[in-house]
Amino acid sequence: GAGVSQSPSNKVTEKGKDVELRCDPISGHTALYWYRQSLGQGLEFLIYFQGNSAPDKSGLPSDRFSAERTGGSVSTLTIQRTQQEDSAVYLCASSLITRYTEAFFGQGTRLTVV
Amino acid sequence: ELKVEQNPLFLSMQEGKNYTIYCNYSTTSDRLYWYRQDPGKSLESLFVLLSNGAVKQEGRLMASLDTKARLSTLHITAAVHDLSATYFCAVDYAGGTSYGKLTFGQGTILTVHP
Repeated sequence: GAGVSQSPSNKVTEKGKDVELRCDPISGHTALYWYRQSLGQGLEFLIYFQGNSAPDKSGLPSDRFSAERTGGSVSTLTIQRTQQEDSAVYLCASSLITRYTEAFFGQGTRLTVV
Repeated sequence: ELKVEQNPLFLSMQEGKNYTIYCNYSTTSDRLYWYRQDPGKSLESLFVLLSNGAVKQEGRLMASLDTKARLSTLHITAAVHDLSATYFCAVDYAGGTSYGKLTFGQGTILTVHP
């Protein structure tokens, strides 16, 4: 596709359930990012994949969060045993790192934990 | 740890007035980006600034970068209602001489009223 695609666009889940959020980056983009945006808050970095390098997981808030990127393309962010404080918009972005890193964002997945 | 701070966080402007949003960051980087986010939408790339003294202009918005001062500014000229949105700056720095990891400021919520 032409842009970064995320699915689902909205997800309502019960507390304690696991969820998977998917990101399909722009074809050929080597870098992929996950951010979290809570209501009225800024963008909280979660994880960063760059090519074949080990991902930078320094932003993951707890061990309930994990992410993988298969074949250097699609990424899945998994949240286990969801809590209400996990409710947020999860944004994925990708970029082609050459001289610079202009990231293009998807529309996000709005996660609501009830 | 890289810190990126914007001010003001909230900006209420009258149409036709000028104002500046400031973005300070805590480590050496010559790559800085500005994004716009409309309510309920994702982030749209506005400007890419890649060197000290870089200046970019698009319509009523002008962005500049001073890497020595670790400061970028987003200047709004003769504001119009359509500029109402949240504006984020982001710094590109992954540690050492590495780039590709974007750290965002808190965002500035701009409201332009008649």
